[in-house]
This record gives sequence, C-alpha cells and structure tokens, in this order.
Amino acid sequence: DIQMTQSPSSLSAFVGDRVSITCRASQNIDHYLNWYHQKPGQAPKLLIYGASTLQRGVPSKFSGSVSGTDFTLTIINLQPEDSATYYCEQTFSTPQTFGQGTKLEI
Amino acid sequence: EVHLVESGGGLIQPGRSLRLSCAASGFAFDEYAMHWVRQVPGKGPEWVAGISWNTYSIGYADSVRGRITISRDNAKNSLFLQMNRLTSEDSALYYCAKGGGTAVAYSYFDSWGQGTLVTVSS
Repeated sequence: DIQMTQSPSSLSAFVGDRVSITCRASQNIDHYLNWYHQKPGQAPKLLIYGASTLQRGVPSKFSGSVSGTDFTLTIINLQPEDSATYYCEQTFSTPQTFGQGTKLEI
Repeated sequence: EVHLVESGGGLIQPGRSLRLSCAASGFAFDEYAMHWVRQVPGKGPEWVAGISWNTYSIGYADSVRGRITISRDNAKNSLFLQMNRLTSEDSALYYCAKGGGTAVAYSYFDSWGQGTLVTVSS
C-alpha cells in the first residue's frame, strides 16, 4: 500500500496568517492527491483534487502544489472558520490511503 | 444538490453480519463510482471499498477483503455494503461517498453522507 506521511500533526496560527501542510507519498502517485478538511461532527469536505485543482465552491484562499512526491496545501488569510482537521488522500492506486491528518487551530 | 443518506448501522455482536445502505439523490447515480469510507471517532478516514459506475471494477481495503461486499442498484439509486464476520476492528462511522468520475481509482470523493455508526460489541 502507498503510505502518505502528513506533517505537521497539529498547527496553531492567527487570523490573517498563511499556513502550509505537507504530504509525502511513499512512491510515485503522479498528481492523484486530494485534500479534505473536516470539522467536528461533520463529514470530510473536498477542497482540492488532482493535487492543485480547486473543487467547485471552495474559496481561492486554498491552493495545492506538488514537487515530485511532496504535496502541499497552502491556506492564506486564515479565518476562524478554517479551524479543522486537514487530510490528504492518494487515489493513484487501490487501496486509496489518507494521511494522518493535521489539526489546524486559529 | 447531491444528497447521500446512509442507514443500517447499529450495535452488532462479533461474528455477525450487517448490511449498510446508501440512498442517493440529486445527481445521475449511474454515471459515477461510489465508495464506502469509515472513520473511527478521533481517527482519520479509511477507505473501505469502491465500485465503478457499471460494477465492472470493484476494490477493497486489505483489512476487509473477503468479508465485505460492495454492490449497487442503479435503478434504485442505491449503494450497499454487506459486512460479514464482524469484529471490534470494524466499529466505526461508515460514510457513503460519491466519486468524481466513473472509475474507482484516479478520482476523489466530492460528496459525503453523514454516516451510519456501526458498533461491534458483545
């Protein structure tokens, strides 16, 4: 199985800040990497797919990039509502696998 | 608007079987792959199984292969998960998720239900 190593596991930031979360794949996954966030009591919500494509309806403050097997989610102009746990997920091969998650506190 | 509603969860004894259902609406169900993803409270999501739009391609997580069967009824816009020989390791919130395309792989989960809780305990 492909392992997704996500870092950091937790992150604290202030309103207006910019943060980055990284996922490293254990092998090549091309650009088949998705980002979700999940708030308490809710299902995960898709933010970015294909490493850098913004899901319809998601604000442009979220962006994704890739360099080899390293994938980065960047969030700018942080607001209190961005507090959530963020997960990456690879869909290059079955089984699809998620990162361990990053809990972001604003 | 996409709407996914799971049902069938509950308290079940180890070794028993359970069938989960997902009722879909708001999109062309027969044009998309569908998936089950589970999550233990406080832990990250775990993909369980996926099925292509035409059922020709099916995939399972190693942890459930041989005990769990995913299926769909496109005429009834419904997705199912038959779970056999349940253990405490299967206790989780089970989500139904819509794929971004027709295939199981190379995609994403763009809509999720609210989940149905499965608790395996004696």
